Amino acid sequence: DAGVTQSPTHLIKTRGQQVTLRCSPKSGHDTVSWYQQALGQGPQFIFQYYEEEERQRGNFPDRFSGHQFPNYSSELNVNALLLGDSALYLCASSVLGRERYNEQFFGPGTRLTVL
Amino acid sequence: SQKIEQNSEALNIQEGKTATLTCNYTNYSPAYLQWYRQDPGRGPVFLLLIRENEKEKRKERLKVTFDTTLKQSLFHITASQPADSATYLCALGRTGNQFYFGTGTSLTVIP
Repeated sequence: DAGVTQSPTHLIKTRGQQVTLRCSPKSGHDTVSWYQQALGQGPQFIFQYYEEEERQRGNFPDRFSGHQFPNYSSELNVNALLLGDSALYLCASSVLGRERYNEQFFGPGTRLTVL
Repeated sequence: SQKIEQNSEALNIQEGKTATLTCNYTNYSPAYLQWYRQDPGRGPVFLLLIRENEKEKRKERLKVTFDTTLKQSLFHITASQPADSATYLCALGRTGNQFYFGTGTSLTVIP
């Protein structure tokens, strides 16, 4: 089992550009959450996808959007990039519904740098 | 909005001693609290979960306490080892899998 995988590992973009990050959940997991982690800070919840729909959303602007595919993999899209979007973007997968309190498995993250 | 605070300073302890990390929160009533370990450049790794109706949870050398009256969780690593050196994050949740993370505490165990 490869666990949660994310691609790419690193990405450099310029202000105003758009970016797409990808995540494959752990085998058997049906829920994907995305987090943004700025340097020296804890992860901040962006949104969560289950059954191809956004279930919960944190305090992030509409420039941040996502998608979940039938195979449970997910994409995070960020439009009109700002310098402040530079961060480590983490994907976490879990199983929803089996129990209310579920362990999340995180991927290694994608380091996004906006110049 | 909710506020989650962890040890503001990095923690340095001698090998073999017990490390104690704190997580305090305000403006929130979590149903459960989790502790994660994060190494540089890596994603967080789940360590322990404790529910609001539980006072204490143990796993090998790890122990977590949860005091909903004080709005505080303590995370203990007994017989600490240099390999325990990492950043430790607490995360609070209420429903589903939406978690609010603290800023983390950097722990260094000195041989």
